[in-house]
Amino acid sequence: AQTVTQSQPEMSVQEAETVTLSCTYDTSESDYYLFWYKQPPSRQMILVIRQEAYKQQNATENRFSVNFQKAAKSFSLKISDSQLGDAAMYFCAYRRQSSNTGKLIFGQGTTLQVKP
Amino acid sequence: DTGVSQDPRHKITKRGQNVTFRCDPISEHNRLYWYRQTLGQGPEFLTYFQNEAQLEKSRLLSDRFSAERPKGSFSTLEIQRTEQGDSAMYLCASSLGQGENGYTFGSGTRLTVV
Repeated sequence: AQTVTQSQPEMSVQEAETVTLSCTYDTSESDYYLFWYKQPPSRQMILVIRQEAYKQQNATENRFSVNFQKAAKSFSLKISDSQLGDAAMYFCAYRRQSSNTGKLIFGQGTTLQVKP
Repeated sequence: DTGVSQDPRHKITKRGQNVTFRCDPISEHNRLYWYRQTLGQGPEFLTYFQNEAQLEKSRLLSDRFSAERPKGSFSTLEIQRTEQGDSAMYLCASSLGQGENGYTFGSGTRLTVV
């Protein structure tokens, strides 16, 4: 069975600085998708960034980028120029490419605090 | 279309009562998912629908839980004879196709069983 592990329950960063959130996963599949979702307090979960496992190039979305290491099964999220609005819980998620259900498997989450 | 809507946002119920939650997905999305999220944890898959057909249920979904999606539009999740362990956030999400590009989530319904 696939599992996703986020080993950092909490992280903090100074406004305008850079922070990296870690995620590792376990799978025997070769084709899959990885996602980072952001869940602000009492608000809906939104997709931050998405990576396809067959692509070697790391995904980037404005201030958000990933470091995807397929052999190490590692998928970290880097947030540059952190803003107060980045404060939220961040979840790493995995989806098999061949999945008919589209089921996502989530990690436990990392709470990010941004200090002014 | 304003996204995925869930109602109610909060529900407090006494143990043993039945509760029903509603989810309205994005109208053109054919897939609808239910997840459960307990405090400090990531969401866990409960079930999903493709149009009106319920195609997979997690073993987390005991026989006290039932979900429907009549006519492939909105969905309801009912919990009968609620237990304190049912206290959680129930998240609904929808996607176009098989969700390769991710889902759109609703804001969730927070259930507290007292």
